[in-house]
Amino acid sequence: NAGVTQTPKFRVLKTGQSMTLLCAQDMNHEYMYWYRQDPGMGLRLIHYSVGEGTTAKGEVPDGYNVSRLKKQNFLLGLESAAPSQTSVYFCASNFGRLSTGELFFGEGSRLTVL
Amino acid sequence: SQKIEQNSEALNIQEGKTATLTCNYTNYSPAYLQWYRQDPGRGPVFLLLIRENEKEKRKERLKVTFDTTLKQSLFHITASQPADSATYLCALYTGGFKTIFGAGTRLFVKA
Repeated sequence: NAGVTQTPKFRVLKTGQSMTLLCAQDMNHEYMYWYRQDPGMGLRLIHYSVGEGTTAKGEVPDGYNVSRLKKQNFLLGLESAAPSQTSVYFCASNFGRLSTGELFFGEGSRLTVL
Repeated sequence: SQKIEQNSEALNIQEGKTATLTCNYTNYSPAYLQWYRQDPGRGPVFLLLIRENEKEKRKERLKVTFDTTLKQSLFHITASQPADSATYLCALYTGGFKTIFGAGTRLFVKA
């Protein structure tokens, strides 16, 4: 029972570098999400997807891009990293609008931008 | 805009006592109120939810109440144990893709 798997778990970048965070789920969920979690703040939605081939902006999308080429995978990209993007990133998934909204989270990816 | 507030101060209690955590919200559109547990360095894990038309929900040692007049939910852990020490997140699910999270309250249970 893998659930939601994120890679990498830790990464250090220099300002201006790019990287991609990978998320995979094996629960056949329709909806997938990327959140960031910062000290003293609630989880904030970056981007989400309601199905394969679709993506949409969340609350804090600037500086990030996403893709959902396959139903089970959701990628989060940083084209030019900035120190303000230092955070812990969580991928989550669920059945979406036909569910009670219970979210299944990955273990997180801790990103530091120097 | 919708907002959720949880007590930012950590809650310290003795083993065996009941822990009570508070979640207050504003501008809420009816759907579900959820509670998650998050351990250090781990992702949040769903615990239970309560619907707008429910007053109380129980699951083992957990109890959640929902007062739509006060716009408040209380989360209780009875007979608390050191293993219950974690951060507890309150979240409002308003339908579709939208879930709004509180910042969480840290609970420490001393043996």
